[in-house]
Amino acid sequence: IAGITQAPTSQILAAGRRMTLRCTQDMRHNAMYWYRQDLGLGLRLIHYSNTAGTTGKGEVPDGYSVSRANTDDFPLTLASAVPSQTSVYFCASSETSGSRTDTQYFGPGTRLTVL
Amino acid sequence: GNSVTQMEGPVTLSEEAFLTINCTYTATGYPSLFWYVQYPGEGLQLLLKATKADDKGSNKGFEATYRKETTSFHLEKGSVQVSDSAVYFCALRNNAGNMLTFGGGTRLMVKP
Repeated sequence: IAGITQAPTSQILAAGRRMTLRCTQDMRHNAMYWYRQDLGLGLRLIHYSNTAGTTGKGEVPDGYSVSRANTDDFPLTLASAVPSQTSVYFCASSETSGSRTDTQYFGPGTRLTVL
Repeated sequence: GNSVTQMEGPVTLSEEAFLTINCTYTATGYPSLFWYVQYPGEGLQLLLKATKADDKGSNKGFEATYRKETTSFHLEKGSVQVSDSAVYFCALRNNAGNMLTFGGGTRLMVKP
C-alpha cells in the first residue's frame, strides 16, 4: 500500500509560471488536505476537500486553487507563482472530515522554490 | 481561535537522556491532541494522540497526557536514541473538524 504519493518531489519555478502539484491516495479516504510548511510556523492549511466534488478554503488559500474530481486525486494549482509561495507542500488525507478524532496521514511532500 | 505553542528548539540530548517537549494549546470546545514526527527528508507521521481529558497517548516509548486543566500535552520519553532525532509537531483538531492546527515544531538532536 503506497498511502499518499506526491509529485514532483521538488521543483524550481520562475515567478509568474503556472504549476500543479499532484497528490494521489490509495486508502479510499473521503477527506483530503493541502498544507504548506514554513520554518517556525509549522504547517498551515491551504485548502481541503471533505469528499469528491467539494472543496473548501483553509487558513492560507490566496494564490492557490484545488479540485477534487474523484476520491483518489487532489491536485493543487498555483496559477501565477510568486516567491512567497516557496515552501514545502504536504498533501494529507483522513477517513472522514467531521470527526475530531480522525488521524490525518501525510504524503512525503513537494519542495517548491519560486525565483 | 485555536493555537498551539511548542518549546523552541533545537533540543540537543545525549543518548539515553530523558526527553520532555512542552506543548500548550488554546482551543474552543474539546479538541483532540496529536504529536507528529518528521524524520529528515520525509513527511509527517502520527506518533501518538489523545482524544479526551486525562487520556494518555503512547507509542515507541513516547507518551503524552491530555491535561485539560493546564491545556497541555507535553511529550516525554524516558531514554532517547539517536534514531529519535527528528522534528516533532504538536497539533490539535477541534469539533469543527477539518483543520489540524500545528505548533511551530521542535527539532530534537540526539548525540551518541
